[in-house]
Amino acid sequence: DGGITQSPKYLFRKEGQNVTLSCEQNLNHDAMYWYRQDPGQGLRLIYYSQIVNDFQKGDIAEGYSVSREKKESFPLTVTSAQKNPTAFYLCASSPRRTGGSYSNQPQHFGDGTRLSIL
Amino acid sequence: RKEVEQDPGPFNVPEGATVAFNCTYSNSASQSFFWYRQDCRKEPKLLMSVYSSGNEDGRFTAQLNRASQYISLLIRDSKLSDSATYLCVVIHSASKIIFGSGTRLSIRP
Repeated sequence: DGGITQSPKYLFRKEGQNVTLSCEQNLNHDAMYWYRQDPGQGLRLIYYSQIVNDFQKGDIAEGYSVSREKKESFPLTVTSAQKNPTAFYLCASSPRRTGGSYSNQPQHFGDGTRLSIL
Repeated sequence: RKEVEQDPGPFNVPEGATVAFNCTYSNSASQSFFWYRQDCRKEPKLLMSVYSSGNEDGRFTAQLNRASQYISLLIRDSKLSDSATYLCVVIHSASKIIFGSGTRLSIRP
C-alpha cells in the first residue's frame, strides 16, 4: 500500500539532546512538509521541500533542521535550540501537478510522532 | 486578524441533523481550499477539495465564496461517526499553506 510512514510514534527527549523524526513516503510525491500541532491549535509549517536536495523554511523553522537526500525521505531534527519541543509532529507530502504547480494539490499525512520532554 | 479563522465549537448536534460551519480567510489571492477531518490524536485526513462551483460528496457539500472570502462545509443526515474536528486549509502558494484551528463536531445519539 502506498503511504507516508512516520517513526517513532512516541519520542522522549532529554534536555540538551537532539532527536530525529523519520518520514518516508512511497507515493512518488515531489513535495514533502513538516508541521507541528499544539493542543487546540492548527498545524504550523516548519519546513518544506519541493525537490531533492532543496528545502525551505516555514513559519516556525527556528530550532529545527531537515534534509532531503532522497525523494522518499524527509527527516526532521529537533535540536536543543528548540526550547519548547513538546508537540505532535506531522509529515505530509503532495504531488506536483502537470505544469509545475503545487499550490492546488492536497496534502496527505503520516500518522504523526508525539514528542515529549523528559 | 488571523489569516484563517474557524469557530472552534464544539458543535453538539443530534444524529440525523444537518450541520454547517464556515472558515474565513483574509488573503484574497488564496488559490486552493480543502477540508480535512481530524480524529482525536490522529493525523488529518483529506475530506474534500473546495471549488467555486461547489462540490458534493455523498452527505458532504463544500462551497467557496470568493467575494466574502469564506468556505463552508455542510453535513447532512449526520452520523455518530462524523464526530471529529474539521480543519479548513487555505493555500496561497507552496510556502503559504494555512490551516485553521479546527471546528469540533460532536454528534449525539
